[in-house]
Amino acid sequence: EVQLVESGGGLVKPGGSVRLSCAASGFIFSRYGMSWVRQAPGKGLEWLAGLSHSGVYIFYADSVRGRFTISRDNAKNSLLLQLNSLRVEDTAVYYCARGDDTTTNYFDFWGQGTLVTVSS
Amino acid sequence: VMTQSPATLSVSPGERAALSCRASQSVGTNVAWYQHKPGQAPRLLIYGASTRATGIPARFSGSGSGTEFTLTISSLQSEDFAVYYCQQYDKWPPLTFGQGTKVDIK
Repeated sequence: EVQLVESGGGLVKPGGSVRLSCAASGFIFSRYGMSWVRQAPGKGLEWLAGLSHSGVYIFYADSVRGRFTISRDNAKNSLLLQLNSLRVEDTAVYYCARGDDTTTNYFDFWGQGTLVTVSS
Repeated sequence: VMTQSPATLSVSPGERAALSCRASQSVGTNVAWYQHKPGQAPRLLIYGASTRATGIPARFSGSGSGTEFTLTISSLQSEDFAVYYCQQYDKWPPLTFGQGTKVDIK
């Protein structure tokens, strides 16, 4: 059974940093592209960043480029998202999602999400 | 940009629901649809505009190409009341979602 379990969320002050993790199991992690998607309170889904199965190709949304860094550790079946220079508007539930193939066109499995709250 | 309509659709159980998604430029058939319930992980329903994902009931169907897409639920069940999102993966980054259509009980 495919499982994606996010962790690392919590309360962070504006300007602060947090690192999110996504533990993957039930599939060969190194064969799939992965992404992070978020949902702010009362809002829709927003794709943030994605990377290919090998981690060679990395893509970001303009809203987070330069502040967020996506990475993966295929040896540990883990996807990471480093969030820096956080703003109040970054408050959201952050989901990791598995791509359909070696890249990340659409998402066939999602985690339950981890909540990041940015507030003073 | 992906634009979904209506924002909210009120439907009685057993009725048919048709959700619309419009792309600002042609995306071919590179569209996926997701179902999202509060507190749960989003669930892939449709990819390639019309291919049902594994385990998705036949009452869910997708159609369209270019700029106009439709998700149809042929006979709404109680478990289908949720928010539905379309997503394009033709021209990216960024991968973009519509703003969602909430299907609630009439």
